[in-house]
Amino acid sequence: DIQMTQSPSTLSASVGDRVTITCRASQSISSWLAWYQQKPGKAPKLLIYKASTLEGGVPPRFSGSGSGTEFTLTISSLQPDDFATYYCHHYDTYPWTFGQGTKVEIK
Amino acid sequence: QVQLVQSGAEVKKPGASVKVSCKASGYIFSDYYLHWVRQAPGQGLEWMGWINPKSFGTISAMKFQGRVTMTRDTSIGTAYMEVNSLTSDDTAVYYCARGKKDYYYAMDVWGQGTTVTVSS
Repeated sequence: DIQMTQSPSTLSASVGDRVTITCRASQSISSWLAWYQQKPGKAPKLLIYKASTLEGGVPPRFSGSGSGTEFTLTISSLQPDDFATYYCHHYDTYPWTFGQGTKVEIK
Repeated sequence: QVQLVQSGAEVKKPGASVKVSCKASGYIFSDYYLHWVRQAPGQGLEWMGWINPKSFGTISAMKFQGRVTMTRDTSIGTAYMEVNSLTSDDTAVYYCARGKKDYYYAMDVWGQGTTVTVSS
């Protein structure tokens, strides 16, 4: 199975900060990667797919980049609604797997 | 509007089975893949598998093969996932999620989740 490792596990930041989350795959997954945001008690929300394609309705402050084994999710200016847990998800080969999550907390 | 509505919470004993339903509305059910993802308490997300409602084709993660069955009833726009031989490790919130059209791997609409508790 391909392992997805996110860093950091927890991130403390302030409103307005630029935030970057990294996701590394244990082997190349080309650009077969998505990012999801999840708030407590809620279902995940799709942010980005194919590593860098922004889902419709998602604010442009979110962006994704990378290919192969290293990927990043960037929030250009953190907003109060962005405090949540973020997961990367690969869909290269079965089984598809998620990273362990990165919790973005208020500093 | 497009939505997925799941069945209610379940409490089961070890060794029992549970069947979770996911009713789609607001779109053509058979045109979109349906994924199942679970989340144990305080843990991350785990992809379980998908079903193609049009072809009835399914793919599931190997760890669930033989224990998980995904089905659908296109006449009522509902997908089902049954998990057999439950253990405490199966205690989790189970989500269904729609795959985007043309990008079936990206899950763009999610159900509200169904809590399954396995306890003696």
